[in-house]
Amino acid sequence: AQRVTQPEKLLSVFKGAPVELKCNYSYSGSPELFWYVQYSRQRLQLLLRHISRESIKGFTADLNKGETSFHLKKPFAQEEDSAMYYCALLSFSGGYNKLIFGAGTRLAVHP
Amino acid sequence: GAGVSQTPSNKVTEKGKYVELRCDPISGHTALYWYRQSLGQGPEFLIYFQGTGAADDSGLPNDRFFAVRPEGSVSTLKIQRTERGDSAVYLCASSEGAGGFDTQYFGPGTRLTVL
Repeated sequence: AQRVTQPEKLLSVFKGAPVELKCNYSYSGSPELFWYVQYSRQRLQLLLRHISRESIKGFTADLNKGETSFHLKKPFAQEEDSAMYYCALLSFSGGYNKLIFGAGTRLAVHP
Repeated sequence: GAGVSQTPSNKVTEKGKYVELRCDPISGHTALYWYRQSLGQGPEFLIYFQGTGAADDSGLPNDRFFAVRPEGSVSTLKIQRTERGDSAVYLCASSEGAGGFDTQYFGPGTRLTVL
């Protein structure tokens, strides 16, 4: 079964502390993974995708096929990083792609 | 430019009623998706349109749910005989295509409450 698991509903850290938001996936093919973010009162938006190997707002995520993980990391959290983060898997079936989301982790960065 | 828009932003209805939710995608985007997000959950895929046709409707929970996109732009999600369990935020997203490099841009959602 295709599934995305985010084990933490809430991650609470202090400003300047390192952050790691966990994401594990289950997928039989070669996965394409994404992190989406939703700031307060804003719409869901793409943060980064693994195929671009990019760093956005100081966040990075490495695909680990052995551990089937795609954890999101940032060395020094900022208060403006407080938001809801969703890990998503692009599922290819029937000739079409669709996103499968995890349940999300709320990141709260305290001053 | 204008992003994806959805109307209404909030809809309160009574059990058993019919509702329509509208999505205006970004101009020129051929791919359009509907998702449903229940409280405490991530978005859950409902249906995907490529142009005017529903290419994948495997996420629709039952035959009370139906969606159209007659001219390949605006889409309407229709729910018949609403039930309290239909209460959720309904999200629409559009993208230029459906590949891994095609970013899905989300609308603000319609919050549906069935009393």
